[in-house]
Amino acid sequence: DAKTTQPTSMDCAEGRAANLPCNHSTISGNEYVYWYRQIHSQGPQYIIHGLKNNETNEMASLIITEDRKSSTLILPHATLRDTAVYYCIVRVANSGYALNFGKGTSLLVTP
Amino acid sequence: DVKVTQSSRYLVKRTGEKVFLECVQDMDHENMFWYRQDPGLGLRLIYFSYDVKMKEKGDIPEGYSVSREKKERFSLILESASTNQTSMYLCASSPVGLALAKNIQYFGAGTRLSVL
Repeated sequence: DAKTTQPTSMDCAEGRAANLPCNHSTISGNEYVYWYRQIHSQGPQYIIHGLKNNETNEMASLIITEDRKSSTLILPHATLRDTAVYYCIVRVANSGYALNFGKGTSLLVTP
Repeated sequence: DVKVTQSSRYLVKRTGEKVFLECVQDMDHENMFWYRQDPGLGLRLIYFSYDVKMKEKGDIPEGYSVSREKKERFSLILESASTNQTSMYLCASSPVGLALAKNIQYFGAGTRLSVL
């Protein structure tokens, strides 16, 4: 799996967009970018994934730079319930079963 | 929505007891997983199963066994609980078909086990 770098923590005001960056400068051509989050005392939750095109679903948008060396997860209108640790994972599609979450970004959404 | 249900949120057991952690998923997923999560160590894979009665060891299988008699149910067994097995245990499932789906895992809420 390619190494990822995320800020340790971020704050966001409720109702504003939360933009969570992830650096993956060593990503290879067949590696996907996956985002998960873990709300305190709950199991991780899959959010979104992408290869090179931008992706959007009901939870978030994923913007991947053209050179694929970084990406941004966007929560368009953050709510207090979005307070969680967000994990960016980069790996090939069939690389194995164990997910390596790393340390992630702790997002605090404030009123 | 995919639902992965773990039988207990909190469990307290004594050293030497045999402990069963149950997990049920309702989406007909072939793959099921057991992880444990500890502060500073992240998630570590204990066992996974890719079909009924099939299982493979993960990174830290020692002291654990698993059972998958039905597709929807995956049980983690602590043969003789020890204090170093105090942890948060997470069950997950994922579908097959698309290779990249192996990386899309759906997790239960977790069981926080304390072994005294």
